[in-house]
Amino acid sequence: NAGVTQTPKFQVLKTGQSMTLQCAQDMNHNSMYWYRQDPGMGLRLIYYSASEGTTDKGEVPNGYNVSRLNKREFSLRLESAAPSQTSVYFCASSDVPGKGFGPGTRLTVL
Amino acid sequence: QKEVEQDPGPLSVPEGAIVSLNCTYSNSAFQYFMWYRQYSRKGPELLMYTYSSGNKEDGRFTAQVDKSSKYISLFIRDSQPSDSATYLCAIPGVSSNTGKLIFGQGTTLQVKP
Repeated sequence: NAGVTQTPKFQVLKTGQSMTLQCAQDMNHNSMYWYRQDPGMGLRLIYYSASEGTTDKGEVPNGYNVSRLNKREFSLRLESAAPSQTSVYFCASSDVPGKGFGPGTRLTVL
Repeated sequence: QKEVEQDPGPLSVPEGAIVSLNCTYSNSAFQYFMWYRQYSRKGPELLMYTYSSGNKEDGRFTAQVDKSSKYISLFIRDSQPSDSATYLCAIPGVSSNTGKLIFGQGTTLQVKP
């Protein structure tokens, strides 16, 4: 039982490049989330998926797209990376009231 | 005004001290309150959650909610160096039934041996 896994752990991109962050959970949760964490800002919700086949915007969705591939997997895509997207990205899955968070992806956009 | 506010610290205490971590919130309709612990370069982990007002104790940790003041606290007794981490309060949004959380900025705690 691995919980929530994320790949990659680290990534460096140049401005304008694209990439997809992968997330998978083995807890059979319906809801999954993508957050970003920046110094002094706490965790902010980018997108979430309440169930397989549905996705909704969170607090800071601009510049991102998501795909809920199946119940286990929820990916986050940056189509044209910008320096403002330098952050640590966390995926989480939910079994209310708590959430399991993944270990994070540290992304730097130059 | 942010919906959840938390002093980012840092907070430095000697081993064995009692630590008090606090958050304020703006919406009186909030019912669930959570505390997460995040070690450096790791994901947050759920430490405790409480429903409505009152205290909840788990070992050396006590979560307290004062709904009249819109104030939540986490107390750590007999603090240990292993408690050094960032502590985040979190509250589920009222208008959502999807489990979205609103996080405070996090307070960084250092417990010195």
